[in-house]
Amino acid sequence: NAGVTQTPKFQVLKTGQSMTLQCAQDMNHNSMYWYRQDPGMGLRLIYYSASEGTTDKGEVPNGYNVSRLNKREFSLRLESAAPSQTSVYFCASSGQGAQPQHFGDGTRLSIL
Amino acid sequence: GIQVEQSPPDLILQEGANSTLRCNFSDSVNNLQWFHQNPWGQLINLFYIPSGTKQNGRLSATTVATERYSLLYISSSQTTDSGVYFCAVELRGTSYGKLTFGQGTILTVHP
Repeated sequence: NAGVTQTPKFQVLKTGQSMTLQCAQDMNHNSMYWYRQDPGMGLRLIYYSASEGTTDKGEVPNGYNVSRLNKREFSLRLESAAPSQTSVYFCASSGQGAQPQHFGDGTRLSIL
Repeated sequence: GIQVEQSPPDLILQEGANSTLRCNFSDSVNNLQWFHQNPWGQLINLFYIPSGTKQNGRLSATTVATERYSLLYISSSQTTDSGVYFCAVELRGTSYGKLTFGQGTILTVHP
């Protein structure tokens, strides 16, 4: 049972390039989330999807777009990467309602 | 928005010692979760604890929602307990799952 799987694990981009981070969960969870973690800080919510077909902004959505492709998959897209988006990106999922969140291993993204 | 403050920011222990980590939050919450981020960066959910007390092996957590704080107890610490401990809360009245994280407590356990 893989849980939450993120790809890629590492990526280096140049400023202005675009990229999509992929996330898939196999726990039949309704809700999925994207966070970023900057050095010495806690995680901040970028976007979330409470259920298939819905998405909503979190605390720091600017510069990002998301797609809830189906119940299993939730992708995060950077259309024009900026150095300020250098971070570690985590995807998470949870069941219906107020439930524990389970995280993927993260994607380390560097933008030069 | 809701403020989440964790203390202490850093903690250094010898193996076998006990410790208490604290999380204060500024508003009423739907739920509170504790996470451990290991030295490899993986985030593990330790407790989902909106109120009351839960125990899991050497770890236990207590949330007093009316007084807006939660405590994480680690007993007989081991080197594998090292890492960063995060508290995260969901503000009451918001959509389920919108967590706000604290800054974390960095725990180092020496053999």
